[in-house]
Amino acid sequence: TQLLEQSPQFLSIQEGENLTVYCNSSSVFSSLQWYRQEPGEGPVLLVTVVTGGEVKKLKRLTFQFGDARKDSSLHITAAQPGDTGLYLCAGARSGGSNYKLTFGKGTLLTVNP
Amino acid sequence: ETGVTQTPRHLVMGMTNKKSLKCEQHLGHNAMYWYKQSAKKPLELMFVYNFKEQTENNSVPSRFSPECPNSSHLFLHLHTLQPEDSALYLCASSREDFEAFFGQGTRLTVV
Repeated sequence: TQLLEQSPQFLSIQEGENLTVYCNSSSVFSSLQWYRQEPGEGPVLLVTVVTGGEVKKLKRLTFQFGDARKDSSLHITAAQPGDTGLYLCAGARSGGSNYKLTFGKGTLLTVNP
Repeated sequence: ETGVTQTPRHLVMGMTNKKSLKCEQHLGHNAMYWYKQSAKKPLELMFVYNFKEQTENNSVPSRFSPECPNSSHLFLHLHTLQPEDSALYLCASSREDFEAFFGQGTRLTVV
C-alpha cells in the first residue's frame, strides 16, 4: 500500500504569514498533484508536478517536487483568509490502463484575518 | 464549476432504503471514480472505471453497487446501508494524465 503522509495535519495562522506544508511517501510516483477543498465542496486541482526537482508557482503558492519524486511541498507566501481550506496531495501511479490516485489525509489550513 | 456534476447534493436515507447517486461529466474523460470522504480519514478510493469497464474495486461492501452505462455517466446504487456509511461521496473523472476533476459531492446521512 502506498501511503502519502501530509504534515502538519492542522495549521492556523494569521493573515500575512508564510507557511509550508509537506507531502511525503516512501514510494515513487509518476506525478504528484495538489488540490484544495473547501467545506461541502469537492477538491479542486491546483497543480501537477511531474519532473523530479520541479518547481511550479501559482501566484503566492510555490510547489516543489522532490528530486526522487517521493515527496512534495507547498509554500504559501503572505497567506490570506481566502487560502483557508483542506490541502490534499495525491500521487499518481499507472499500471497499463489502470489509473489510480492515492490521496493523503490533507492539511487543514485556517488563515485568520 | 469543474464539469463534473453530482446529484443529489444531500441525501438522508434509512437503513432499509434503496437510493442511487448520480455523476455526470462531459469533459471527454475516459476514467471515472467514486471516492468516500469521512471525517479524519483520507479520501478512500472505492471504484474505478476506465472506458466503462470496472478496473478497481477497493474491497467495497456489496451494499454499494456501481454502474457505468457509458463514459459520461456513473452511478452508485445504495441499499441496506449502515450509519457508518454516512460520509461525503465524491465522483471524479480524468484523462490518462491522472488530473482528477471532482464533483461537489453528495453528503449522505444514514439514519
